[in-house]
Amino acid sequence: AQRVTQPEKLLSVFKGAPVELKCNYSYSGSPELFWYVQYSRQRLQLLLRHISRESIKGFTADLNKGETSFHLKKPFAQEEDSAMYYCALSGVNSGGYQKVTFGTGTKLQVIP
Amino acid sequence: DAMVIQNPRYQVTQFGKPVTLSCSQTLNHNVMYWYQQKSSQAPKLLFHYYDKDFNNEADTPDNFQSRRPNTSFCFLDIRSPGLGDAAMYLCATSREEYSDTQYFGPGTRLTVL
Repeated sequence: AQRVTQPEKLLSVFKGAPVELKCNYSYSGSPELFWYVQYSRQRLQLLLRHISRESIKGFTADLNKGETSFHLKKPFAQEEDSAMYYCALSGVNSGGYQKVTFGTGTKLQVIP
Repeated sequence: DAMVIQNPRYQVTQFGKPVTLSCSQTLNHNVMYWYQQKSSQAPKLLFHYYDKDFNNEADTPDNFQSRRPNTSFCFLDIRSPGLGDAAMYLCATSREEYSDTQYFGPGTRLTVL
């Protein structure tokens, strides 16, 4: 079974401080991993995906297969980064079908 | 220029009274998904359509049904809503299944009285 764990429900950091939102996954194959973000009063939207290896809004995430992690990082937090962040995994389930599993999300609060 | 539209944004229904939630898209994507999200929980996939092919998740209750009459529209029908079905319902689309980026609607918040 595939599982995504985001251990922190809430992460508070000061503006300008580094940010790391943790995501660990459980999956036996090669996963595809995503970070989705939901700003206040907005819809859920893609932030980045590991296969594109992009940096979006200063955020990066590296897939670490040894540690089964896909942590989201930003060197200097900005107030507009305050939002809910969801880690998601796309993989093949036991029935042979692809399935996306979301984590429970981490609320990032950037303190001015 | 909204790409995935959900109506209504808020829906109140009575216990046991059938309710239908609507989703439409202007992206011409092949895949449309319905998720249920309860407070402080992860979005949970209920089912999805790839074109006209319906794929139900194994743990989705029979009380939940879906229809996709054409590429643009997809409906979520809850035949007999219970108090436990109160949640945010999210519609999403993608060009291809799962490994592709999903585009979400704003959600419909369902209240069951």
